[in-house]
Amino acid sequence: LAKTTQPISMDSYEGQEVNITCSHNNIATNDYITWYQQFPSQGPRFIIQGYKTKVTNEVASLFIPADRKSSTLSLPRVSLSDTAVYYCLVGDQGKSGGYQKVTFGTGTKLQVIP
Amino acid sequence: KAGVTQTPRYLIKTRGQQVTLSCSPISGHRSVSWYQQTPGQGLQFLFEYFSETQRNKGNFPGRFSGRQFSNSRSEMNVSTLELGDSALYLCASSFKTGENYGYTFGSGTRLTVV
Repeated sequence: LAKTTQPISMDSYEGQEVNITCSHNNIATNDYITWYQQFPSQGPRFIIQGYKTKVTNEVASLFIPADRKSSTLSLPRVSLSDTAVYYCLVGDQGKSGGYQKVTFGTGTKLQVIP
Repeated sequence: KAGVTQTPRYLIKTRGQQVTLSCSPISGHRSVSWYQQTPGQGLQFLFEYFSETQRNKGNFPGRFSGRQFSNSRSEMNVSTLELGDSALYLCASSFKTGENYGYTFGSGTRLTVV
């Protein structure tokens, strides 16, 4: 299973762009990279997913270099409500649904400061 | 569409007892995964069920077991509870939207072992 490494915590001021990097050196060919957000006493929530290059949706961007050994979640213009723990997940997507094998990162606690 | 429902939300048990947690996935989702979340260990994968069969299992002792019913609802059982089993237990059902696979998590069951 791919092991993932993330910074334990980050601080950012409101309105700034935040980049959180996840290292996954032994990612497998079939693995996708997914990022989740978790607030206290709630389950993690899907943010974005990618396989390679760049993916963008309405809340974030995901940058994946050609070697796929790392990925960077980019949150544009963060607000106080973005204060949460962000997890990087590397997993093999089962064709029939569900992950075959997954590894959650340790999570990065993002604190947004007014 | 209703989300992933976990019951109960909170539970207090005594060492040596056993406990059963329940998870109802999103309608149509056939894969259900269970995670244990503790402050020290983060999110750890317990097992995944697909069409009533355990497809993957994490590194937990045999005291942790689960099953899935024909309607995709899943239960997790922990026997001979230990203080270290105190944790947030999260259930997730898997979805596919376009090319994305991902989890939708429930709010979890907070288990306290005293």
